[in-house]
Amino acid sequence: NAGVTQTPKFRVLKTGQSMTLLCAQDMNHEYMYWYRQDPGMGLRLIHYSVGEGTTAKGEVPDGYNVSRLKKQNFLLGLESAAPSQTSVYFCASSWGDNEQFFGPGTRLTVL
Amino acid sequence: GENVEQHPSTLSVQEGDSAVIKCTYSDSASNYFPWYKQELGKGPQLIIDIRSNVGEKKDQRIAVTLNKTAKHFSLHITETQPEDSAVYFCACAAYTGGFKTIFGAGTRLFVKA
Repeated sequence: NAGVTQTPKFRVLKTGQSMTLLCAQDMNHEYMYWYRQDPGMGLRLIHYSVGEGTTAKGEVPDGYNVSRLKKQNFLLGLESAAPSQTSVYFCASSWGDNEQFFGPGTRLTVL
Repeated sequence: GENVEQHPSTLSVQEGDSAVIKCTYSDSASNYFPWYKQELGKGPQLIIDIRSNVGEKKDQRIAVTLNKTAKHFSLHITETQPEDSAVYFCACAAYTGGFKTIFGAGTRLFVKA
């Protein structure tokens, strides 16, 4: 099993550009999450999903959109990137309120 | 909103000593308290967790204690080893139609050989 995978691993964007981060899991988990990690601030929840076709806002949802069209995939979109969105993005999945399994992260720089 | 405070932000210990990291939380509805370890360049990985109906849990050199009345929980690592050096995150989760997890800011642990 690959666990949780994220694509791409690194990306540099210019302000105003758009992009989509892809997260895939092969553990048949119902729950999936997107976090951003900034120095000194830990992990902050952007959006999460409790099942295929459902999404919900986390702590810092502004400027991001998500979709969960298939159970195994959770997409994070930035419609118009801003320098404040420079961060490391982690996807995770879980069975309900149990252990979350994290992907390796995507390092995004917005110039 | 809900938050989790974690202390200290940095901790340096000598190999073989114990390390203690403490967290306090604000949401009284929280009922799941995991601890994650993050090594450089990797995603966090669960090392131990505790639920609100249990006061203490131990797994070899790692233990977690929970005081729901005071809304705080702690991670204890005994007989520390250099490979314990990493960033540790506490977290708490409450059911809100789904389980929303809030993480602490992290503790960078250095174990000196």
